[in-house]
Amino acid sequence: QSALTQPRSVSGSPGQSVTISCTGTSSDVGGYNYVSWYQHHPGKAPKLMIYDVSKRPSGVPDRFSGSKSDNTASLTISGLQAEDEADYYCCSYAGNYAFVFGTGTKVTVL
Amino acid sequence: EVQLVESGGDLVQAGGSLRLSCAASGFTFSSYWMYWVRQAPGEGPVWLSRINTDGTYTSHADSVKGRFTISRDNAKNTLYLQMNSLRAEDTAIYYCARELGTVVRGYFAAWGQGTLVTVSS
Repeated sequence: QSALTQPRSVSGSPGQSVTISCTGTSSDVGGYNYVSWYQHHPGKAPKLMIYDVSKRPSGVPDRFSGSKSDNTASLTISGLQAEDEADYYCCSYAGNYAFVFGTGTKVTVL
Repeated sequence: EVQLVESGGDLVQAGGSLRLSCAASGFTFSSYWMYWVRQAPGEGPVWLSRINTDGTYTSHADSVKGRFTISRDNAKNTLYLQMNSLRAEDTAIYYCARELGTVVRGYFAAWGQGTLVTVSS
C-alpha cells in the first residue's frame, strides 16, 4: 500500500485552529471507518490522539477532533497551544489485515 | 503506568540478522494484541507485524514477509521481532506498540521510545 498523503507542514498562532488532511483511496480511508491519528514529539513515544475516525482516548483534550469525508480524513486542533507543536500522522486500516500510515505533518505554533 | 521498552537495535551488515525485544509492564501483557512499527529517517511510520494474545496468530506486511517474524513470551511479558536477511532499506527506528483495548481494532495505543536499527551495505 502507498502511504496516505498529508501536507508537510501547517502552522498557526496560539488560540487558532489548524486542520490536517489525510488523503487515501477507497481501499483504505474511504473503505473503512478505522482511521486513527498520532502525535509524535521527536525523541518521545508517539501518542494515540484519535481512533475510529473521531473518538478520543481518555486524557486527550477535546481540542483535538477528527472527521472523514470520502477518501480524506482530517484532524483539527482548536485553540492551538505551544505543546501541540509536534509531528502528526494519520493511519488507516487497508484491508487484508494491513495498516497504512500517512506521510506526516509538522505542526508549528507561531 | 503502561511501559514498553525496546532493545536490541544495532549496526548490522546487509544480509545479517537481529532480534529485537520489547519489555512490557504496567498492564496484563497476555490480554493484548501487540505490534511492531518502524520509521525510517524523514519518513512516516510503517506497520510491520502483529500478533494475537497467545501468539498463535501473526501477520506481517508484504515488505518484511518471509524475513521478519513476530513472537511473544507471555511468561516474560516480552515481545520479539526476529529480523533476517536485513537490507539497507530496513534502516529505521523500530517501535513496539500495544492495542487500544483487549479486542483487536488496529489502534496503537501505547508505544515504546524505539530502538535504532542501522543496516550497512
